[in-house]
Amino acid sequence: DGGITQSPKYLFRKEGQNVTLSCEQNLNHDAMYWYRQDPGQGLRLIYYSQIVNDFQKGDIAEGYSVSREKKESFPLTVTSAQKNPTAFYLCASSIDTGALGAGNTIYFGEGSWLTVV
Amino acid sequence: AQSVTQLDSQVPVFEEAPVELRCNYSSSVSVYLFWYVQYPNQGLQLLLKYLSGSTLVKGINGFEAEFNKSQTSFHLRKPSVHISDTAEYFCAVRRTGTASKLTFGTGTRLQVTL
Repeated sequence: DGGITQSPKYLFRKEGQNVTLSCEQNLNHDAMYWYRQDPGQGLRLIYYSQIVNDFQKGDIAEGYSVSREKKESFPLTVTSAQKNPTAFYLCASSIDTGALGAGNTIYFGEGSWLTVV
Repeated sequence: AQSVTQLDSQVPVFEEAPVELRCNYSSSVSVYLFWYVQYPNQGLQLLLKYLSGSTLVKGINGFEAEFNKSQTSFHLRKPSVHISDTAEYFCAVRRTGTASKLTFGTGTRLQVTL
């Protein structure tokens, strides 16, 4: 089945550790995104990538890093510099080209819970 | 920049009653508008979107929304809700054209009870 796979579903991080969240898509989408969700704050964009080997910071990129070495993969690393990393993280992807452009639907994965212990 | 305001953080409603979830947006350029639904511990699923044309948009699960440019609103409605509609609903906007981000509102929790 086509879709977006995020792993792990639940992850615990110790203080000072870096952790990486995996996101893989088999939809052949060019664009991929990482959002952070906190209760009562909606979703905030961390990073996004329009093409392989290129990515841009979103609204809350500090303390996070990404890579886009393959079209289907967009891993997110939460570094020790992120002081409040406990949240629900959502990966998404979309076709951004074509006649609809930004009107194309953005599809989301099932999310990953990160908790600092 | 674009912004989205969802005026109600929670909306309680009885089963089979109608519901309206409010969404207002702000943008200096033309935008596309979206409604997403999120069930507990899951990702987001698209309910409907407005790109152009008819201002009344019909989506999945019996939901519809009406785009009102003069009031910069995109309210979501359902004439008769079901227990299974209990979820978080997010309104979002995206500047037309490519390479633009999707900006979300803070969400509205719809709680349907018997």
